[in-house]
Amino acid sequence: EIVMTQSPATLSVSPGERVTLSCRASLGVNAHLAWYQQKPGQAPRLLIYGASTRATGIPARFSGSGSGTEFTLTISSLQSEDCAVYYCQQYNNWPWFTFGPGTKVEIK
Amino acid sequence: EVQLVESGGGLIQPGGSLRLSCAASGFSVSSNYMTWVRQAPGMGLEWVSVIYTGGITYYTDSVKGRFTVSRDDSKNTLYLQMNNLRAEDTAVYFCARVEYSISSGAFDIWGQGTMVSVSS
Repeated sequence: EIVMTQSPATLSVSPGERVTLSCRASLGVNAHLAWYQQKPGQAPRLLIYGASTRATGIPARFSGSGSGTEFTLTISSLQSEDCAVYYCQQYNNWPWFTFGPGTKVEIK
Repeated sequence: EVQLVESGGGLIQPGGSLRLSCAASGFSVSSNYMTWVRQAPGMGLEWVSVIYTGGITYYTDSVKGRFTVSRDDSKNTLYLQMNNLRAEDTAVYFCARVEYSISSGAFDIWGQGTMVSVSS
């Protein structure tokens, strides 16, 4: 099983600030890495796939980078509606998909 | 509109059974890989099961032998039959589409989730 880790666990940020979330895989996953946003009481929403491609309808302030074992999700300018938990997921090791534990982004 | 709608959750005693449904619209479940993901209260996401277009199924170890994923192509619906339920199966269960042609495996469409509570 590929273990995904995320840091930090919680991030408190002021509106307009740049946010950087990290995700690490225990084994290389190429670029088969997705990011999801989950707000309280809602289903996860796909933000990024292929490590860096925004899903349909996702604002340009969200960007992803990385390959292999190290990945980053960046929110260029945090908006209030971006408060959520962000999960990374590897889908390189089919069918044993694994998620990271999540990073909670709060407004300071 | 492309969407997934789950149903079938509820309160069940340990050892009991429950069948979750996931009705799809706007696309065909038979032409897509479909998956179940669960989220225990206050916890993260855990992949549970997947069914391939050809009908092959896979499960996470903790549910193997107890859960069965299937689909009814005529109803365009995905199912998760859960037997011998345990307290640790308590979670919100989401169904999702595994997008393969562009992303090679990201979960692009999610249902709203259905809550399963296992307790005596």
